[in-house]
Amino acid sequence: QKEVEQNSGPLSVPEGAIASLNCTYSDRVSQSFFWYRQYSGKSPELIMSIYSNGDKEDGRFTAQLNKASQYVSLLIRDSQPSDSATYLCAVGEDSSYKLIFGSGTRLLVRP
Amino acid sequence: DAGVIQSPRHEVTEMGQEVTLRCKPISGHDYLFWYRQTMMRGLELLIYFNNNVPIDDSGMPEDRFSAKMPNASFSTLKIQPSEPRDSAVYFCASSGGGGLADTQYFGPGTRLTVL
Repeated sequence: QKEVEQNSGPLSVPEGAIASLNCTYSDRVSQSFFWYRQYSGKSPELIMSIYSNGDKEDGRFTAQLNKASQYVSLLIRDSQPSDSATYLCAVGEDSSYKLIFGSGTRLLVRP
Repeated sequence: DAGVIQSPRHEVTEMGQEVTLRCKPISGHDYLFWYRQTMMRGLELLIYFNNNVPIDDSGMPEDRFSAKMPNASFSTLKIQPSEPRDSAVYFCASSGGGGLADTQYFGPGTRLTVL
């Protein structure tokens, strides 16, 4: 059973701080990785995708991938109260085109 | 593009009734996924289609659930008969496919309440 593990949180950070969200996965052959944000009562929306080892930056968001350690993370710089949401890590099962989702980490940014 | 469209947005029904959820994927996307989300179980994949053909329905909880995709722009998820434990948010998502598992774009979801 392929798994994606996330700390459920809540992760509480003050406004302006860096929020660090982590995810580990069990499928060694996965090649595609995604971070989704889900506000309460809304659907998941894509924040970032990453396919290669290293860092990928997009505005205040940085995704980090380490395939050897089977670890992917999301950093949110200058956190804002509007970033308060649940963040879902998803790992591609490339043989089937499915995404395996973690249970999500709830982030709370305190004003 | 309008994104993935789902209807209805909310459905309240009584136990034993038939429920039909509808989805229109993003035009040109080859893959369509049906998910169910609850607080207890998180986001669960129920079934997915490639080019209108069901590929994996191993997540469908039991025979009361069925899904169809008669053409590239429409899919239904049917529950008959419905039970209170089916209460959840049901999402439809689509993706373009390709060499790797691709980004999935989610619809707004249908919140189902079975009384």
